[in-house]
Amino acid sequence: AQSVTQPDIHITVSEGASLELRCNYSYGATPYLFWYVQSPGQGLQLLLKYFSGDTLVQGIKGFEAEFKRSQSSFNLRKPSVHWSDAAEYFCALFMDSNYQLIWGAGTKLIIKP
Amino acid sequence: NAGVTQTPKFQVLKTGQSMTLQCAQDMNHEYMSWYRQDPGMGLRLIHYSVGAGITDQGEVPNGYNVSRSTTEDFPLRLLSAAPSQTSVYFCASSSLQGVAEKLFFGSGTQLSVL
Repeated sequence: AQSVTQPDIHITVSEGASLELRCNYSYGATPYLFWYVQSPGQGLQLLLKYFSGDTLVQGIKGFEAEFKRSQSSFNLRKPSVHWSDAAEYFCALFMDSNYQLIWGAGTKLIIKP
Repeated sequence: NAGVTQTPKFQVLKTGQSMTLQCAQDMNHEYMSWYRQDPGMGLRLIHYSVGAGITDQGEVPNGYNVSRSTTEDFPLRLLSAAPSQTSVYFCASSSLQGVAEKLFFGSGTQLSVL
């Protein structure tokens, strides 16, 4: 069955350090993958998406993600985090057969000063 | 352009009460959906619609009803509220072509069932 797994519930990173948030998916067809960010008390904002083509995709706010089909992964990265990046990050898989988005449980990013 | 409007923002219910969460969009989007968000579980799709008169179940439909009589509105009904339905509810809409990448979210409804 299709699923999205974000193995890390919380991640703590020092300001200025690099970041990688993990996302693994299970899906039998070509995956359409997304990363969203939710700041406290806010709605969800799309960071980036992968449909096809180049496996390294660039997003907003300096984020990027790499699609690795062999590992069924779509990890989110940022070279240097800012305190304003503290938020919850969600990976999602879109199934075009039934217009459903399957979401991971989220990873809460905590930034240490 | 208001986007996706959800009402109310907060609601407290007693077990067994019924209520309707309202969702309206002014972007002429075919696709509308309802999610619930619970700590540690991400967003889970309750029901969705790909056009007026068409609705379908998502991952967690039990205890919820929807209807889509117009393109603009997609209300979510709780017929007999239960404490397990305490959650934050989000409505989202998009064009059919943009369901994956251009999903517009409402600001959410925080529901507590006592």
